[in-house]
Amino acid sequence: DADVTQTPRNRITKTGKRIMLECSQTKGHDRMYWYRQDPGLGLRLIYYSFDVKDINKGEISDGYSVSRQAQAKFSLSLESAIPNQTALYFCATRSRTGNTIYFGEGSWLTVV
Amino acid sequence: GDSVTQMEGPVTLSEEAFLTINCTYTATGYPSLFWYVQYPGEGLQLLLKATKADDKGSNKGFEATYRKETTSFHLEKGSVQVSDSAVYFCALSALGSNYKLTFGKGTLLTVNP
Repeated sequence: DADVTQTPRNRITKTGKRIMLECSQTKGHDRMYWYRQDPGLGLRLIYYSFDVKDINKGEISDGYSVSRQAQAKFSLSLESAIPNQTALYFCATRSRTGNTIYFGEGSWLTVV
Repeated sequence: GDSVTQMEGPVTLSEEAFLTINCTYTATGYPSLFWYVQYPGEGLQLLLKATKADDKGSNKGFEATYRKETTSFHLEKGSVQVSDSAVYFCALSALGSNYKLTFGKGTLLTVNP
C-alpha cells in the first residue's frame, strides 16, 4: 500500500461544481503539501500545512481551500471549479526533521 | 526567492547514449537538491538527492553532484535505456523557504531503441 494515498485518482467535473481531493498518509509526517502540475510549468505549490493548526498559502492558492482534519489527512477543495483548474494534483508529506518530500500518485482533475 | 532552471526539452536519445540534463538554482541559504522522475501515467518518485556541497547523489545509474560554486546539480547517466523515458524534475528545498520544494519546469526524455 502507498504511504501517501490520494482520492479520487481521476475525476471529471463541471464548471461551477464543488470538488474535494483527499489525501491521507501513513508515514507519520507532520508536514503536508498540495501541488498542481501543468505541462511546461512544473509543479507549483497551492497550500501547505506544518501541523493541524498551521495552514499556509502557497504561490497559487486563489480558487482553492484546504482542511487539515488530522495529522494524517489533508484535503484540497475547489469551491467553484473552472476549466483552467484542469491539472494533475499531488499531495506530499515531509517529516519535521527530514529534507525529503514524498509524493502521492496524483489526482487527475478535468473541469469541463 | 528560490528558483530552479533546468534545460528545456524534449530530449530524444538513442538507447545507450549519454544523458545530461542541466539544472541550476538560486536559493536563500544552503539548499538541499533533488531530482524527481515521473514515468508515463505515474506520480513523482524521488530519484536522487544531495544535501551539501560536493555530495554526489546516485540511483539507478543516474548521478548528480552538488556544485555550490556554479549553483548547479546536473543529472547524468552514462547509458540510457528505453525504460528511462520519463519527465525529470530538478528541485530544491531550503530553510529560508521553510523547506518547501521549488521545482524546475521538467524535462521530457524519450529514449528510442
